[in-house]
Amino acid sequence: EAGVAQSPRYKIIEKRQSVAFWCNPISGHATLYWYQQILGQGPKLLIQFQNNGVVDDSQLPKDRFSAERLKGVDSTLKIQPAKLEDSAVYLCASSRGNNEQFFGPGTRLTVL
Amino acid sequence: QKEVEQNSGPLSVPEGAIASLNCTYSDRVSQSFFWYRQYSGKSPELIMSIYSNGDKEDGRFTAQLNKASQYVSLLIRDSQPSDSATYLCAVNREGANSKLTFGKGITLSVRP
Repeated sequence: EAGVAQSPRYKIIEKRQSVAFWCNPISGHATLYWYQQILGQGPKLLIQFQNNGVVDDSQLPKDRFSAERLKGVDSTLKIQPAKLEDSAVYLCASSRGNNEQFFGPGTRLTVL
Repeated sequence: QKEVEQNSGPLSVPEGAIASLNCTYSDRVSQSFFWYRQYSGKSPELIMSIYSNGDKEDGRFTAQLNKASQYVSLLIRDSQPSDSATYLCAVNREGANSKLTFGKGITLSVRP
């Protein structure tokens, strides 16, 4: 069974630029999550999708972050405009229900 | 009080010893508990899940849960240098507001 796929693996941008990340979950997993992990901290949930509907986006900075999962499979997370404090690893995870989550390799974002 | 708290560490043990990693959580209605292992520069990998009070063993790993004390732990027997990583405790509250909350993680170093 293929794992969660993410791209790109690394991205370097300047502040105020925009960036987008892509995620393909494990086949059959209805629930998809985007996390932000800052160095030295645990992952923080940004948004959770159940199929193509948003379940929880309470910690998503909606003035600059957006996410979509139009067909209930792939998802994209966008930041526009980026700030220095957005430098982090962005992790995508998926699960069948609300329990065991499996993570992709992540995208390491550096904002200069 | 933080929702999920782990001793900051780092924890250093000699090869062959038992490593004991502890985690406390504040939400009494939490139902699912997970331990993730994260190697430096990699994404979190699920190694144990536990849902009911008591012990759960998987190879050299044992998870222990005490809901009355709001405490979950991970024991690693016969520690190996390859176990050196950051271990993340995660707690899930079931239901409509289910969300996986992570601790900051504790870094384990196993000395050869």
